[in-house]
Amino acid sequence: SQQGEEDPQALSIQEGENATMNCSYKTSINNLQWYRQNSGRGLVHLILIRSNEREKHSGRLRVTLDTSKKSSSLLITASRAADTASYFCATDAGEDGNKLVFGAGTILRVKS
Amino acid sequence: EADIYQTPRYLVIGTGKKITLECSQTMGHDKMYWYQQDPGMELHLIHYSYGVNSTEKGDLSSESTVSRIRTEHFPLTLESARPSHTSQYLCASSELVSGQPQHFGDGTRLSIL
Repeated sequence: SQQGEEDPQALSIQEGENATMNCSYKTSINNLQWYRQNSGRGLVHLILIRSNEREKHSGRLRVTLDTSKKSSSLLITASRAADTASYFCATDAGEDGNKLVFGAGTILRVKS
Repeated sequence: EADIYQTPRYLVIGTGKKITLECSQTMGHDKMYWYQQDPGMELHLIHYSYGVNSTEKGDLSSESTVSRIRTEHFPLTLESARPSHTSQYLCASSELVSGQPQHFGDGTRLSIL
């Protein structure tokens, strides 16, 4: 069964607005990662948050992790048209590490 | 951008043909992965490798096979392609140490007629 589930499935916002995407998962994890996928391309790693971390920042990205609720959120501030993409969360729960289980993704459209 | 390359980018081929999808990385990563992704859907792990001569099946059953004779090369083969194999195939690599991000190629979009 799917480990990560994201909502919303799709999000459409105006340039300059903030975008928030949520991810829920089922089992204990080592870390949770967020990736971006532009149309027709591979995934690009955005940020990794470990199970003992609660919040992490990278540029305009802010990720939170709540292990008690088994959920994470990705906030993109001051969005740009170039942020238009699909965003996936992925959980690393295995003993050998680096074996990821991906959610179905959130499609973000930023209108200029 | 990461140095991981997949060829071909697009392949349209008839049923019953043997297909090899190529994946190469220049980062010296020990771990490599193959994922299958249908349009608008999540990625499913079909094969992975810890290093040379190591191959493991992933979470999604697949009729494809892989080999890892060289660190930088992780090809995926379908002996007899069927329409059900139509999908996008993504290759990725990562360091052997746990908790490292994966680096992805741009994928091969495969259509079996």
